[in-house]
Amino acid sequence: AQSVTQLDSQVPVFEEAPVELRCNYSSSVSVYLFWYVQYPNQGLQLLLKYLSGSTLVKGINGFEAEFNKSQTSFHLRKPSVHISDTAEYFCAVSAVYTGGFKTIFGAGTRLFVKA
Amino acid sequence: ETGVTQTPRHLVMGMTNKKSLKCEQHLGHNAMYWYKQSAKKPLELMFVYNFKEQTENNSVPSRFSPECPNSSHLFLHLHTLQPEDSALYLCASSQEEGSGNTIYFGEGSWLTVV
Repeated sequence: AQSVTQLDSQVPVFEEAPVELRCNYSSSVSVYLFWYVQYPNQGLQLLLKYLSGSTLVKGINGFEAEFNKSQTSFHLRKPSVHISDTAEYFCAVSAVYTGGFKTIFGAGTRLFVKA
Repeated sequence: ETGVTQTPRHLVMGMTNKKSLKCEQHLGHNAMYWYKQSAKKPLELMFVYNFKEQTENNSVPSRFSPECPNSSHLFLHLHTLQPEDSALYLCASSQEEGSGNTIYFGEGSWLTVV
């Protein structure tokens, strides 16, 4: 079965420090990759996505992610975080499964930015 | 404002009640979804409608019943729920199911079963 693994359930980090949230997926076919963010008491919203082309994808709020096909990874990074980045981050993979295209979400990583 | 509106935002219901969650999208999308989000669990896909046809039912108990009368509206009918069904229920939509389409989420309906 296809899966998306977010290796860290929680990541505490100090304000203005860099952060990396890790995501690995299992798939042997072409995939589309996404990062979504969920702020407290809100739904998920798209941060960035990789469809094709350059493996480095830039998103909103200064986030970027790099698609690494050989390592089946799509890690999210930000060089300097703010308190307002405190949220839950979800990696998602869309690929062809039995019956058509499906999107699978990881379990989420809670980023906690401390002053 | 994401273009996906869910009502009510909060619902408390007894185990013998019947209630419904409503979702409306103003994005002209053809796919709509219900997800369940529980504390310390991954996001669970419950149902998918693509062009008004149900394409996914992830072994969801029959006490949850979806309805998609048109491509803009999606309901989740609830009856004889259990306390473990308490969770955040997220509605979402996308241009079509899967592929590289972005999924747009509503803010969710917090359900508490007492």
